[in-house]
Amino acid sequence: QQKVQQSPESLTVSEGAMASLNCTFSDGTSNNFRWYRQHSAKGLEVLVSIFSDGEKEEGRFTAHLNRANLHVSLHIREPQPSDSAVYLCAVSPITGNTGKLIFGLGTTLQVQP
Amino acid sequence: GPKVLQIPSHQIIDMGQMVTLNCDPVSNHLYFYWYKQILGQQMEFLVNFYNGKVMEKSKLFKDQFSVERPDGSYFTLKIQPTALEDSAVYFCASSSGHSGNTLYFGEGSRLIVV
Repeated sequence: QQKVQQSPESLTVSEGAMASLNCTFSDGTSNNFRWYRQHSAKGLEVLVSIFSDGEKEEGRFTAHLNRANLHVSLHIREPQPSDSAVYLCAVSPITGNTGKLIFGLGTTLQVQP
Repeated sequence: GPKVLQIPSHQIIDMGQMVTLNCDPVSNHLYFYWYKQILGQQMEFLVNFYNGKVMEKSKLFKDQFSVERPDGSYFTLKIQPTALEDSAVYFCASSSGHSGNTLYFGEGSRLIVV
């Protein structure tokens, strides 16, 4: 069973400084990785989806996937206080892909003005 | 972006009673999901549903749980009877396909069983 771990558990950055979040998974044969964020008491907002090794950019959000290293990261360019939220890494399991996602525990990002 | 609506946003219920959580998925989506998140723990898959049937369910989807989507109405999660350990936030999601398609989530229904 695919396992997903995120680091750091929490991160504080200053407005405008790059924020980098990490996610490791246990099996590199998955090909479906997503970053979501969750503002307090709100639903999940999809940020970036990435399906092959390399880089994928969506606005200020860039995901880097390296399946050989079992690692996917999220970089937030010029973060703003409104980006303060919990960021969740989600991976599809390897077999029988029925749309199920396996989530990490999340990284709580605080962006200070 | 696409919106998934969930009703109620929160509910307190006595242990042993029945509860129904309602989800209005994104229009034209065909795949529907429920996830459970206990405070401080990761979000976990419960069940997915397509064409009137459960496709896959996890071990968290106990016998007391059921899902359905009668034509033109909400996708529902029913728990009967409820137990204390069912207290959690339940998130509904929908997608247009399954493999490779983005899941869009609602804001969750917070259930407290007392």
